[in-house]
Amino acid sequence: GAVVSQHPSWVICKSGTSVKIECRSLDFQATTMFWYRQFPKQSLMLMATSNEGSKATYEQGVEKDKFLINHASLTLSTLTVTSAHPEDSSFYICSGRRGQGGGNTIYFGEGSWLTVV
Amino acid sequence: AQKVTQAQTEISVVEKEDVTLDCVYETRDTTYYLFWYKQPPSGELVFLIRRNSFDEQNEISGRYSWNFQKSTSSFNFTITASQVVDSAVYFCALSELTGFQKLVFGTGTRLLVSP
Repeated sequence: GAVVSQHPSWVICKSGTSVKIECRSLDFQATTMFWYRQFPKQSLMLMATSNEGSKATYEQGVEKDKFLINHASLTLSTLTVTSAHPEDSSFYICSGRRGQGGGNTIYFGEGSWLTVV
Repeated sequence: AQKVTQAQTEISVVEKEDVTLDCVYETRDTTYYLFWYKQPPSGELVFLIRRNSFDEQNEISGRYSWNFQKSTSSFNFTITASQVVDSAVYFCALSELTGFQKLVFGTGTRLLVSP
């Protein structure tokens, strides 16, 4: 099956700094990518939907200036957590959708654990 | 609005027992997809099944089986003869059939299979 890779898998950063997480589709072109956040023992909550070459669409309650999403190519989307704080510590997982029509499969990355100290 | 409910927060069974994970969904769409994912402690999401709302046939894959009942808006997942390796959090999810196909996840059911 198709592969979506996230990097880094684990990251620890200091409070107030920014951290970037990459999401790459390795063997397909992802016209749409999704970013989810999962707090410990909770469900996955969609943060934003991004289409290549256009601005991301953020879900209600997600600060777009804090969580910068860039989808510059069909194989790469990045999530930058700016001025990170301990409450941003979470598991971030991306997914990519191959194709544009209905019925296309969505592939998830391995996820990235962010700890802000 | 779409919503997925997994009422069972945690289930503990002994190896070789059968276990059913419940999933109830709400949607105004007449067509949609339903999914089950497994999330082991490492965190990655393992895709188990995608079911189109047009297809209400039950499906069996090895020790796994799924019961889709549109009349009760349920998509239950049964593991037969559970094994320790089945221990994980299982998520049921729903998406629209067309458009961006954003996934709406349930809260998950933590399954613990002990030897």
